Amino acid sequence: AQSVSQHNHHVILSEAASLELGCNYSYGGTVNLFWYVQYPGQHLQLLLKYFSGDPLVKGIKGFEAEFIKSKFSFNLRKPSVQWSDTAEYFCAVNEDSGYSTLTFGKGTMLLVSP
Amino acid sequence: DTGVSQNPRHKITKRGQNVTFRCDPISEHNRLYWYRQTLGQGPEFLTYFQNEAQLEKSRLLSDRFSAERPKGSFSTLEIQRTEQGDSAMYLCASSLGGIAYEQYFGPGTRLTVT
Repeated sequence: AQSVSQHNHHVILSEAASLELGCNYSYGGTVNLFWYVQYPGQHLQLLLKYFSGDPLVKGIKGFEAEFIKSKFSFNLRKPSVQWSDTAEYFCAVNEDSGYSTLTFGKGTMLLVSP
Repeated sequence: DTGVSQNPRHKITKRGQNVTFRCDPISEHNRLYWYRQTLGQGPEFLTYFQNEAQLEKSRLLSDRFSAERPKGSFSTLEIQRTEQGDSAMYLCASSLGGIAYEQYFGPGTRLTVT
């Protein structure tokens, strides 16, 4: 069974600081990778996804993530965070050969102070 | 609003009672998923429909849980003889067919079992 681990449960940054959230997965086969975000009081929404091709993927709101297959990692980055990035971030994976059900990490709560 | 909708948004019930939740997916989406999320955890997969067929069920889905998707449109999730451990946020998501398609999440139904 696959699993997803997110390195930090809580991250506190000041505005304009750079962000990197770690995500590692365990599965030996081909996977598809996702980052979802949940802003306060809102539902989960997709930030970005990787299926194939360029391992550096760009998403909405200036976020990007890099898939490093040898490290089983899919870390999320943003060069300069804003107060409005305060949210919970979830890394998720599904198996390319299976159903499309997602396995999520436990999430990282990001608090950006103005 | 043409997103995924869920009703009710909140449900408080006494232990031992039955509860039913409804999910209305985005109209053209043939895939529908149920997830459960508890505090401090990411969403956990419960079950998945393609059209009206229930194709996968997690072992988290005990015999007290049943889900239906008659006519491949809306879906219901019923929990019989609720237990305090069932308290959680129940999330519904929908997508077009194929692994490459994004899952769109609804706002969730928060269940509290007293």
